[in-house]
Amino acid sequence: EVQLVQSGAEVKKPGESLRISCKASTYSLTSKWISWVRQVPGKGLEWMGRIDPSDSYTDYSPSFQGHVSLSVDKSTRTAYLQWSSLKASDTAIYYCARHPWESGNWYFDLWGRGTLVTVSS
Amino acid sequence: QSALTQPASVSGSPGQSITISCTGTSSDVGSYKLVSWYQLHPGEVPKLMIYKDDKRPSGVSDRFSGSKSGNTASLTISGLQAEDEADYYCCSFAGSSTLLFGGGTKLTVL
Repeated sequence: EVQLVQSGAEVKKPGESLRISCKASTYSLTSKWISWVRQVPGKGLEWMGRIDPSDSYTDYSPSFQGHVSLSVDKSTRTAYLQWSSLKASDTAIYYCARHPWESGNWYFDLWGRGTLVTVSS
Repeated sequence: QSALTQPASVSGSPGQSITISCTGTSSDVGSYKLVSWYQLHPGEVPKLMIYKDDKRPSGVSDRFSGSKSGNTASLTISGLQAEDEADYYCCSFAGSSTLLFGGGTKLTVL
């Protein structure tokens, strides 16, 4: 079954760094973009940015530019979302989501289950 | 960029039809045929219900349909069923290689 398998929940302190992952279970990661989406508890979804695994080209939402970074490891079919210095306001569920391979592919045909990140002192 | 506007909640009885609206601007919803809709059940993987305004993925019930008029997109669910109770989000391409989500709508099946 094609899945995006995300890493487990994390509890961190403000100022700490973190990298969470999203692994493509069966398909070749390089063939389809991956986006990351945030959901603050009790709030809606927010698009953070996307990465093209074939060349690591990225686009970021202005709201997240400079605060997170996206990367991939093609050899392990894994995409990453990384923070260098977490804030309490980063507490949220983070989903990875796959774009299909077609023109106008600005939507998601497959999602991960989400990773809960809790940032608290 | 502001989030697209959705009603916070809608409700309907089994068998009825409901429509969820998603209002954006001429810079996003109104400019591209790239509105998608997602269903979120608590604890489950989000699911694509509609893409490119009105296209339905294989495997999604034909009770779900999408449409758009000007800057407002809509998701209609006909023949409402208990399992349709979930949160629904619209999403639109917003130019400059960015995406915008709506605030989400909680659907309650009475």
